[in-house]
Amino acid sequence: DTAVSQTPKYLVTQMGNDKSIKCEQNLGHDTMYWYKQDSKKFLKIMFSYNNKELIINETVPNRFSPKSPDKAHLNLHINSLELGDSAVYFCASSQDTLTLQPQHFGDGTRLSIL
Amino acid sequence: KQEVTQIPAALSVPEGENLVLNCSFTDSAIYNLQWFRQDPGKGLTSLLLIQSSQREQTSGRLNASLDKSSGRSTLYIAASQPGDSATYLCAVRPLFGGSNYKLTFGKGTLLTVNP
Repeated sequence: DTAVSQTPKYLVTQMGNDKSIKCEQNLGHDTMYWYKQDSKKFLKIMFSYNNKELIINETVPNRFSPKSPDKAHLNLHINSLELGDSAVYFCASSQDTLTLQPQHFGDGTRLSIL
Repeated sequence: KQEVTQIPAALSVPEGENLVLNCSFTDSAIYNLQWFRQDPGKGLTSLLLIQSSQREQTSGRLNASLDKSSGRSTLYIAASQPGDSATYLCAVRPLFGGSNYKLTFGKGTLLTVNP
């Protein structure tokens, strides 16, 4: 009965490759997010989608392309991976952008670029 | 630009001790403040959410306070247990702006409770 699930949990790949991370939430939430937590443990928002529409894009390189096929899914595709992309990527969801409910997070995907 | 600072960066205490974690933010125009817990290899779990109009929230052994005017929040943990060991993050949501549901996080406090 996992609320926010991400796959894969670990991703090890070489520089220059293209990879995707999938996220699904079964909470019926309208809003989903992608965060990046770097080696210094700083957590920063990358994207947010509300009802499949992009509402936040935090100056992330266009090598990162989020895709939301429906409001329960927000996948992250990364082209031409670089060493600096190594981090833990967290998906999250919230009921919507207006209510005061907390965000629910997945367990993260640890991406390592060789 | 909102900045969130948490001190100390790390804290180690013996079991049973009461402790306080601190969070400060530079822009007092916030909608709410949230405290999260992050266990190693896991995502974030929301602990307490304080609305800007509130001064504190309590859940079990946890008590979070908010002083919006001074830009500070504290998380008080009573009678700490080894299971409380984790990284504690605070995050603020801004009051204004087109993306005012965007959370700004601190770097966290790594808490170790020794048996």
